[in-house]
Amino acid sequence: NAGVTQTPKFQVLKTGQSMTLQCAQDMNHNSMYWYRQDPGMGLRLIYYSASEGTTDKGEVPNGYNVSRLNKREFSLRLESAAPSQTSVYFCASSEAMGASYEQYFGPGTRLTVT
Amino acid sequence: KNEVEQSPQNLTAQEGEFITINCSYSVGISALHWLQQHPGGGIVSLFMLSSGKKKHGRLIATINIQEKHSSLHITASHPRDSAVYICAVRRGGSQGNLIFGKGTKLSVKP
Repeated sequence: NAGVTQTPKFQVLKTGQSMTLQCAQDMNHNSMYWYRQDPGMGLRLIYYSASEGTTDKGEVPNGYNVSRLNKREFSLRLESAAPSQTSVYFCASSEAMGASYEQYFGPGTRLTVT
Repeated sequence: KNEVEQSPQNLTAQEGEFITINCSYSVGISALHWLQQHPGGGIVSLFMLSSGKKKHGRLIATINIQEKHSSLHITASHPRDSAVYICAVRRGGSQGNLIFGKGTKLSVKP
């Protein structure tokens, strides 16, 4: 099993460009998440999908959209990239939402917006 | 004030030392997680606790719900333990999302 995979690993965008970060999991998990990690800050939740067909905003959703394409895949889209979106992005999944479920993380995507 | 505070922010130890990393939180929780982020960036879950103590190899995690405090201990530390250790809590009473601390960067010297 590959676990949680993310593509691409690195990306450089110019301000105003758009792109989609892809995430897939092969653990048959119901819940998936997108986080960003910035220096000196903890991981912050952008969007999550509790189950296939549902998505909800997290702590920092502005400037992002998501699609839960199917149970395996959860993509994050930046419609018009801004330098403030320079960050490392992590996708994660868990069997379900709730206290007793641990999250499994992808390897991350390092995004630079110039 | 952050809802999850970790201390210390940075920690340097000699190989073999006993290490303690602390996590305090200010909200009611249903679970607390300890995660490890390797220098290459990957994040793995070490422990998930709602009470008491858990042990896995040289790692021990404890939680005191009344004091809203958790500790992660590493016995007989090794350079391969060098990583960022992250505490995260899940709010109680709901299917709440995780709230993360800023992490503790541990460097173990040979």
